[in-house]
Amino acid sequence: AQSVTQLGSHVSVSEGALVLLRCNYSSSVPPYLFWYVQYPNQGLQLLLKYTTGATLVKGINGFEAEFKKSETSFHLTKPSAHMSDAAEYFCAVTYSGTYKYIFGTGTRLKVLA
Amino acid sequence: DTGVSQDPRHKITKRGQNVTFRCDPISEHNRLYWYRQTLGQGPEFLTYFQNEAQLEKSRLLSDRFSAERPKGSFSTLEIQRTEQGDSAMYLCASSPTIGAPDNEQFFGPGTRLTVL
Repeated sequence: AQSVTQLGSHVSVSEGALVLLRCNYSSSVPPYLFWYVQYPNQGLQLLLKYTTGATLVKGINGFEAEFKKSETSFHLTKPSAHMSDAAEYFCAVTYSGTYKYIFGTGTRLKVLA
Repeated sequence: DTGVSQDPRHKITKRGQNVTFRCDPISEHNRLYWYRQTLGQGPEFLTYFQNEAQLEKSRLLSDRFSAERPKGSFSTLEIQRTEQGDSAMYLCASSPTIGAPDNEQFFGPGTRLTVL
């Protein structure tokens, strides 16, 4: 069965520090991978996605992620955290032949001044 | 640009009552999805429509749950005989028809259901 694991339900970083949020997936077929952000009382907003092609994907707000097939990972990074990055982040996967997303349990990012 | 809208945003009900939620997708989107998100968890897929056809349902969608999209535009999700375990955020999303499953799904703000 396909699944997504996000290590660390809570991550704290100092403002200006590197942000690293981890996502691993299990799959027997090529995945399509997504990162979404959720601010309080709002819906999910797409940060970036990997489908095919270049494995390093750049998204909005300075975020990027790298698809590593050998490690079945799709970690999200940002070189310098900003206070406005504080939110909950979800990694999701889908596959050819289905339209449903499978989400991880989320990582709440806290940015310290 | 109007995104996906959901109504109501919050619903408090007593156990055993029926509730209905509405989702209005982005107007040109033919695909519509319902997810459920409980505290501390990621969204879980419930069901998916292409136009008015319900094409996939999760095992999470028990016989107390029913979803419709009668004219291929807005959708409703009804929960009959609510239970406390139904308390969750119900999210709706939509995506264009053209393209593969890697199309972005656009999410609404959700309806938060509290069953007392």
